[in-house]
Amino acid sequence: AQSVTQLDSQVPVFEEAPVELRCNYSSSVSVYLFWYVQYPNQGLQLLLKYLSGSTLVESINGFEAEFNKSQTSFHLRKPSVHISDTAEYFCAASPTDSWGKFQFGAGTQVVVTP
Amino acid sequence: GAVVSQHPSWVICKSGTSVKIECRSLDFQATTMFWYRQFPKQSLMLMATSNEGSKATYEQGVEKDKFLINHASLTLSTLTVTSAHPEDSSFYICSARTPQETQYFGPGTRLLVL
Repeated sequence: AQSVTQLDSQVPVFEEAPVELRCNYSSSVSVYLFWYVQYPNQGLQLLLKYLSGSTLVESINGFEAEFNKSQTSFHLRKPSVHISDTAEYFCAASPTDSWGKFQFGAGTQVVVTP
Repeated sequence: GAVVSQHPSWVICKSGTSVKIECRSLDFQATTMFWYRQFPKQSLMLMATSNEGSKATYEQGVEKDKFLINHASLTLSTLTVTSAHPEDSSFYICSARTPQETQYFGPGTRLLVL
């Protein structure tokens, strides 16, 4: 079994400021790690994922996350946020041997203000 | 990219009636689909794994007779909420796994039981 903990339920941030969303996981098996974003009244969209290889993964819209095995973390960062980044962000883990069965964190609401 | 659709996007029903939600993979065949439920301001919780041509696998605490899942073809899985009650009101989200092991989420179906 695995669990995913997102340490912040809400993160207010000013436009063009950096943001970090924290995610820790625990699992008795190997997992893949993901960040999903959910805009108001929309479905989940994949932001980025760590499957193997380089521990630093990047998305096309400026987000990056680093897999840290020793700290069992997969924190999400963006150096400069936009108003349009206002959304709910979910960290998730999926066992490598049961691919697709996601365990989601509670979510972090990011509110970007001018 | 691959698209997963859900129908309907919104449904309001009376207590005691049954509601069917469809999940379709539009441009790929999905041998496995997943159903999640998201309560307001909470994270997604996996309800069941839907396998084409076989019985669904339900997570602990999910009533299989309450939430009937049918995966009759490689592009369609249905979730039927039987004898719905107000506590079943939620956002139901499906996901589908591509043959290349990528996961796509549907836009969700919001169910309100009066």
